[in-house]
Amino acid sequence: GQSLEQPSEVTAVEGAIVQINCTYQTSGFYGLSWYQQHDGGAPTFLSYNALDGLEETGRFSSFLSRSDSYGYLLLQELQMKDSASYFCALRGNTGFQKLVFGTGTRLLVSP
Amino acid sequence: NAGVTQTPKFQVLKTGQSMTLQCAQDMNHEYMSWYRQDPGMGLRLIHYSVGAGITDQGEVPNGYNVSRSTTEDFPLRLLSAAPSQTSVYFCASTAGRRNSPLHFGNGTRLTVT
Repeated sequence: GQSLEQPSEVTAVEGAIVQINCTYQTSGFYGLSWYQQHDGGAPTFLSYNALDGLEETGRFSSFLSRSDSYGYLLLQELQMKDSASYFCALRGNTGFQKLVFGTGTRLLVSP
Repeated sequence: NAGVTQTPKFQVLKTGQSMTLQCAQDMNHEYMSWYRQDPGMGLRLIHYSVGAGITDQGEVPNGYNVSRSTTEDFPLRLLSAAPSQTSVYFCASTAGRRNSPLHFGNGTRLTVT
C-alpha cells in the first residue's frame, strides 16, 4: 500500500517562509501533488511533481526527491489567507485517477 | 462553468436510513471519485469510476454503493446509515492525464444519529 506522513501543525508569521514536509512509502507512483483546503471548504490543487526537483508557481514551490521518498511544499511571503490545511497526495501507478492523501498539515499564519 | 456540484450540502440521518449523495460535473471528465474526510485522517477514497458503466472500490467502500450511468453523474448511495459514516463527503473529477488535478465539489456534511 501507500502511506504519507506530514506534521500535524505548523505556525509562522506574515511575510515569512514556511516549509511543509511530506514523507511517503509506496511501491510505485506517477507523482506527488499538493492541495490546499480552507476550513469548511473543498481541497484545491496547488502543484504536482512528476520528476525530482523544484516546481515553482508564484509564491508556492514544491519539491520531490524520489530517492529520499520525500517532498515538501514551500510557501513564501506568507499572507493571512494562507492559513489553511495542506495535503500531499500520491498518484499511484495502479490507477492514476486514485490519489492517496496524507493526513494534512494545518498552517496557522499570525500577524 | 459550474465544475463539480454536490447536493445536498448538509444532511442528518437516523441510523438505518438510506440516502443518495448527488454529484455532477460539467467538464466532460472521464474519471470521478468519492472521498470521505474525517478529522485527523485526511481524505480516503470510497469508490471511483473510470467512465460510464465502470466503477471500482477504493480504500473504504463498505456501506456504500455507486453507479455511473452517464459521464456527468456519479451518485453515492448509503444503504443503511451508521454513526461511523458521519463525515464530510467530497466528490471529485479529473481528466485522463497523469498530471491532471482533482477538481472537488464543495462537499456534503453528513451526520448520522
